Amino acid sequence: QQQVKQSPQSLIVQKGGISIINCAYENTAFDYFPWYQQFPGKGPALLIAIRPDVSEKKEGRFTISFNKSAKQFSLHIMDSQPGDSATYFCAASAKTGANNLFFGTGTRLTVIP
Amino acid sequence: EAEVAQSPRYKITEKSQAVAFWCDPISGHATLYWYRQILGQGPELLVQFQDESVVDDSQLPKDRFSAERLKGVDSTLKIQPAELGDSAMYLCASSLLGLQETQYFGPGTRLLVL
Repeated sequence: QQQVKQSPQSLIVQKGGISIINCAYENTAFDYFPWYQQFPGKGPALLIAIRPDVSEKKEGRFTISFNKSAKQFSLHIMDSQPGDSATYFCAASAKTGANNLFFGTGTRLTVIP
Repeated sequence: EAEVAQSPRYKITEKSQAVAFWCDPISGHATLYWYRQILGQGPELLVQFQDESVVDDSQLPKDRFSAERLKGVDSTLKIQPAELGDSAMYLCASSLLGLQETQYFGPGTRLLVL
């Protein structure tokens, strides 16, 4: 059973546009929500992360919006650039247990020049 | 910049053969993770070590998979015998303490079982 559901599967955006990727979860014990970026042939790399005590976190062009009551969170990429073309994974973990990261299924983003 | 090292990068094997993957985490990182990533999906945890001890191997198919981190530094993941369904990317990651801080991933080993 997928612990974190991610959509869309793929996304095509014009250069300068806004890319939006959505994730949803059911386990209310989750309290850490990172986003990872993966380029072909490389391992995932942490992009930005949020904890549920805040509703939004911004780092440069990347923003996470978090809705605790809806158990949803999303990644917004402002002014999308061709270099942002990659696969993006949302993930979640809980302090209890072994802090395992549960990943979404990924979104392949293509930014067209 | 310190990186997680993995080898080999690619491995082609026939089913029923044994394969082994090696991972060297970032120096000083106590926690090491092995993930399996099937094409088009997110990584799924196979096993987590804290120093040399296994913290979680609940998703490791123990009839054919084994993992060790004997001195609490580098680690080996073995599959014996390999099956067609084992074709995937095997990713190693490490983190400082394993307390919800950043996990740093290696480049992975892509396994193809024929």
